[in-house]
This record gives sequence, C-alpha cells and structure tokens, in this order.
Amino acid sequence: GEDVEQSLFLSVREGDSSVINCTYTDSSSTYLYWYKQEPGAGLQLLTYIFSNMDMKQDQRLTVLLNKKDKHLSLRIADTQTGDSAIYFCAQGGAAGNKLTFGGGTRVLVKP
Amino acid sequence: DTAVSQTPKYLVTQMGNDKSIKCEQNLGHDTMYWYKQDSKKFLKIMFSYNNKELIINETVPNRFSPKSPDKAHLNLHINSLELGDSAVYFCASSHADRGTTEAFFGQGTRLTVV
Repeated sequence: GEDVEQSLFLSVREGDSSVINCTYTDSSSTYLYWYKQEPGAGLQLLTYIFSNMDMKQDQRLTVLLNKKDKHLSLRIADTQTGDSAIYFCAQGGAAGNKLTFGGGTRVLVKP
Repeated sequence: DTAVSQTPKYLVTQMGNDKSIKCEQNLGHDTMYWYKQDSKKFLKIMFSYNNKELIINETVPNRFSPKSPDKAHLNLHINSLELGDSAVYFCASSHADRGTTEAFFGQGTRLTVV
C-alpha cells in the first residue's frame, strides 16, 4: 500500500541546519518529492530525487534517500526565517501519476 | 504570469448548495489534478485528467464531478454541499511525458460550508 509519514513539528534556530525526515512504504515509487507550503499559499515544489539516487544537492537543500529503509530526508543549510513553512514529502510513480503526500512537517525558525 | 490559477480563492456557502471551482494552467501541461487538503493539512488526490480524459478517480462522493473542457482547464463541480466538504482544494498540473510527476499547484480554494 501507499503510506508516507513525517514528524509533525520541527523548531530550529536561524542559521542552523534543519533536517526533515520522511518514511514511505511504496518501494515502486519512481520519484520522491519535497514541497513547501507557506501560510495561505499553494504548494511549491522544492526538489525531487529519482529513486536510483542516494543524494541530490540544490543550493541550500540536500536530499538523502535510503531506499533500503525507505527513508527520505531534506536538509536545509543555514535556515532562514523565510524557511518557516510546512514541508511535505510525497512519493510518485510514473509520469502523470498521482502524488501521495505525507502529513507535513511544520518548521518554525526562531531568530 | 500565474502558472496554475484557481477561482475563487475563497468560497463560503450554505449546506445543500451547488458550487463550482475553476482551474486553468498556462504551462502547456497535459495532465491536471484536484487535491483536497483537510483541516489537519492532509493532502489527498481526488481526480486526475490526462488530455481531457479521466485517469484517476479516487474514492470521492459522486456529488463531486470534474469537467475538463480542454487540456488547459479542469473544473470541479460539487452538488449538495455538506459540512464535511469544507477544505482547501488545490488544482495542479504536470507533463505526462517528462518521466516525473513534477506537479505545479495553484494557490488553492478555501471552501467553507456553513
């Protein structure tokens, strides 16, 4: 079946690194995604990783994928107050297929 | 230019009414989606259309009827609204032949049924 789980909340100091974790159950997922949702806004695609990769880096964002444990993480370096938002992990299959989302991790960045 | 736009942004209506939410994308994508986000922020797919053809229809009451007049539009009509329909509805689009479900989302329509 499809199930994606995330921790609910993360508090971090400005300038520190944030690590948001996600576990998924569907091993056939082709791609895994991270989305950001700011208050009252839609979802913004931050980054994604192909399932045969272990790591992907994109500026301040680093995605790590442990396919054996079905564990995905998003590291945000030098976290800023503008990074405060809800972060959703999602798994997807073939192109045009649906995304299955985790429950979201609310990140609060303290000055 | 807004890539995926939904109207209205807010919708307050009484139980039993029928309402529609419109969605348009100018990205040239061939696949469009409706997702529902509940009060606990859980997001779940409702429908997906590819080239105007319904390809995903999750367990959604048949009071919800999507309509895709063309590839750039996917509207959602809801009959006999119930209190439990209150949620934020997100439209999204993606390109089916890109190998990923790299979906772009609209700003959402917050529906409140009173």
